[in-house]
Amino acid sequence: AQRVTQPEKLLSVFKGAPVELKCNYSYSGSPELFWYVQYSRQRLQLLLRHISRESIKGFTADLNKGETSFHLKKPFAQEEDSAMYYCALSTQTGANNLFFGTGTRLTVIP
Amino acid sequence: DAGVTQSPTHLIKTRGQQVTLRCSPKSGHDTVSWYQQALGQGPQFIFQYYEEEERQRGNFPDRFSGHQFPNYSSELNVNALLLGDSALYLCASKGLAESYNEQFFGPGTRLTVL
Repeated sequence: AQRVTQPEKLLSVFKGAPVELKCNYSYSGSPELFWYVQYSRQRLQLLLRHISRESIKGFTADLNKGETSFHLKKPFAQEEDSAMYYCALSTQTGANNLFFGTGTRLTVIP
Repeated sequence: DAGVTQSPTHLIKTRGQQVTLRCSPKSGHDTVSWYQQALGQGPQFIFQYYEEEERQRGNFPDRFSGHQFPNYSSELNVNALLLGDSALYLCASKGLAESYNEQFFGPGTRLTVL
């Protein structure tokens, strides 16, 4: 069975400080990994996916198959980064089914 | 394009009742998925519809059923409601035109079972 673990429910950092949101997964096959974000009073939206190896809003995430991790990182946090972040895993190409972690609420302190 | 829309926004039911939630996908999308998000938890996959058929299903009992219409809109039905069914129900859609089949989420329907 598949499982996504986000160990931190809450994370606070100062503006300009580096931020890392942790995500670990368990799945015996080759998963697709995603980070979704939900800003205040907005709907859940895709932030980035491992398969495209892109950087969105300064965030990056590298899939580490040895450590089964997909941590989200940003070198300099901004106030507008304050939001709820969910790590998600799909067991199928095309992300037909998404398994989410419990989420981490990031607060960037001015 | 309003994106994915869901109705109603909020709903209150009592135990044992039945409920129907509705979802209209983003323009150009043909696949709809439903998720249940309990308080403090991440969304949990219920099922997915494509070409008016249920294609995949998560670990939910048969009390949860759905339907997709020819215009790609979808309904989620829950029978014999339990207190534990209280949650935010999210609809997500996707289409082949999207890169890597990205899913777009609606605002959700908040269901409270008393």
